Amino acid sequence: NAGVTQTPKFQVLKTGQSMTLQCAQDMNHNSMYWYRQDPGMGLRLIYYSASEGTTDKGEVPNGYNVSRLNKREFSLRLESAAPSQTSVYFCASSLGGRREQYFGPGTRLTVT
Amino acid sequence: AQTVTQSQPEMSVQEAETVTLSCTYDTSESDYYLFWYKQPPSRQMILVIRQEAYKQQNATENRFSVNFQKAAKSFSLKISDSQLGDAAMYFCAPSGGFQKLVFGTGTRLLVSP
Repeated sequence: NAGVTQTPKFQVLKTGQSMTLQCAQDMNHNSMYWYRQDPGMGLRLIYYSASEGTTDKGEVPNGYNVSRLNKREFSLRLESAAPSQTSVYFCASSLGGRREQYFGPGTRLTVT
Repeated sequence: AQTVTQSQPEMSVQEAETVTLSCTYDTSESDYYLFWYKQPPSRQMILVIRQEAYKQQNATENRFSVNFQKAAKSFSLKISDSQLGDAAMYFCAPSGGFQKLVFGTGTRLLVSP
């Protein structure tokens, strides 16, 4: 039981490049989330998916797109990376509602 | 919008001693949960403890307990018998509306032998 997995663990992009961060969970959770964590700040919600087939914006969605591919997988895409998107990205999942969320190990992304 | 305040950027404790990390929040929700997460240097976010707002009894999980004051919107974490492995960033996170957690800026806990 791997929990929540994320790939890649590290990535360096040049400004304007695109990439997709992958996330998968094997806990049969309904809800999945993408957060970013910047130095000196807590986690901020980018997008979430309450259930398969639905996605909604969080606090900081600009510059990102998401896809809930199936119940297990939730990807985050940066279409044209900017230095302001340099951050650590976390994927999380939960049973839904107000339940606790379980986090993946994070992806450290640097945009130069 | 919901706000979370962790007013202690850094706290220090000696092994075997007790430390309390504070958190206050603002919410218009009547039904919500509150969580404390730990983030060690590995950066993995680990759930420490959860509290349902409708429950008056404070949650306890081994050496970790909370002091939940609903009217004051206060949710502090007490760590007893501190261990070196407790050194980490600690984040308070109330559920900010259906499906969402709102995180504070964190408190860095240093543990000395």
